[in-house]
Amino acid sequence: EDKVVQSPLSLVVHEGDTVTLNCSYEVTNFRSLLWYKQEKKAPTFLFMLTSSGIEKKSGRLSSILDKKELFSILNITATQTGDSAVYLCASRLNAGNNRKLIWGLGTSLAVNP
Amino acid sequence: ETGVTQTPRHLVMGMTNKKSLKCEQHLGHNAMYWYKQSAKKPLELMFVYNFKEQTENNSVPSRFSPECPNSSHLFLHLHTLQPEDSALYLCASSLDTEAFFGQGTRLTVV
Repeated sequence: EDKVVQSPLSLVVHEGDTVTLNCSYEVTNFRSLLWYKQEKKAPTFLFMLTSSGIEKKSGRLSSILDKKELFSILNITATQTGDSAVYLCASRLNAGNNRKLIWGLGTSLAVNP
Repeated sequence: ETGVTQTPRHLVMGMTNKKSLKCEQHLGHNAMYWYKQSAKKPLELMFVYNFKEQTENNSVPSRFSPECPNSSHLFLHLHTLQPEDSALYLCASSLDTEAFFGQGTRLTVV
């Protein structure tokens, strides 16, 4: 059965800390891995990773994929209270036209001032 | 603002009511999705439409009925729901890469 597992499930840090969120996957016919940030309702897209070892970076956020060990990490440096959210990881499969996404449970991050 | 618009944002309905959720995108995407998000569960894919054709129905009960009249609009018709159907219902659309989500409809069934 295809699955995506995120850890930790929740995390509380202080402003300025660096955090690493983990996402491991076991899926058939892997195509890409996606990270989303969900603050209130709509998940907003952060990164899409398809190749191992190539870091994607956006400001204080960065992410990398390891296709051999089947995991990805999302790093946030110098955290701010605005980073508080649920971070979702999903694996996209090559499934014909279905473009199926397998989702993790998410990591709930709280950044305290 | 992701370009995917959902209405209504909140909905409270009785178990005997009939209501519809609406989703609209003008991003030129050719795939649209309905997801259900409940507390402490991963996002659950309900339906997928590609070029207006339903390509996936993840064993969703018949009290949920999707409709995709064109590639820009997606509806979810609801009737005789149960309290356990209370959740956040998210619409998304995509072309070939990432999915863009709407703000969701927070549904409460009483």
